[in-house]
Amino acid sequence: DAGITQSPRHKVTETGTPVTLRCHQTENHRYMYWYRQDPGHGLRLIHYSYGVKDTDKGEVSDGYSVSRSKTEDFLLTLESATSSQTSVYFCATKDGAYEQYFGPGTRLTVT
Amino acid sequence: DAKTTQPTSMDCAEGRAANLPCNHSTISGNEYVYWYRQIHSQGPQYIIHGLKNNETNEMASLIITEDRKSSTLILPHATLRDTAVYYCIVRFASNFGNEKLTFGTGTRLTIIP
Repeated sequence: DAGITQSPRHKVTETGTPVTLRCHQTENHRYMYWYRQDPGHGLRLIHYSYGVKDTDKGEVSDGYSVSRSKTEDFLLTLESATSSQTSVYFCATKDGAYEQYFGPGTRLTVT
Repeated sequence: DAKTTQPTSMDCAEGRAANLPCNHSTISGNEYVYWYRQIHSQGPQYIIHGLKNNETNEMASLIITEDRKSSTLILPHATLRDTAVYYCIVRFASNFGNEKLTFGTGTRLTIIP
């Protein structure tokens, strides 16, 4: 357990509204990731960060932006939520070369 | 990344050893085998990883064949809390962080009381 918390844990929002999900870690891990998990697709990487203010796109980054102003926080923003962004979002962190540690997830519903 | 093949589902009696197979016939020489699991509604949990040699930790053992084309995750004394989806992933180890874990459909392991 890498001390990862995600907030909120559940959110329902309307199409077109902005949404920000927060990932907070207490282990000082360098790398942080945002994934989404949907039935039939497994986990897909949205964005990742390799340091403060250093981020890059993953395989499904369209419609999402991220920011990392502090080592411990990685924010995922949906500028204008769409129904296709209804999903479970997981944050993960990594310190060395090997395992990633995952947070408990945020269930987002866009109506 | 090398593709992996796992059975869709397996059952195991509580207290027995659960052996979960994974085929990765296209694995390259510097790719590691990772195992994660996901208990219902929770985030994935790292279990173990290995390159060539068999590995053991407090959760499980990983047996990798000599040709590295397949591996088996062993949970030595399965409990009901081990019921989960188990993912076998083949990936380079990277200190650059720019990797994504490709989770396939995994094996749904059910521990039977």
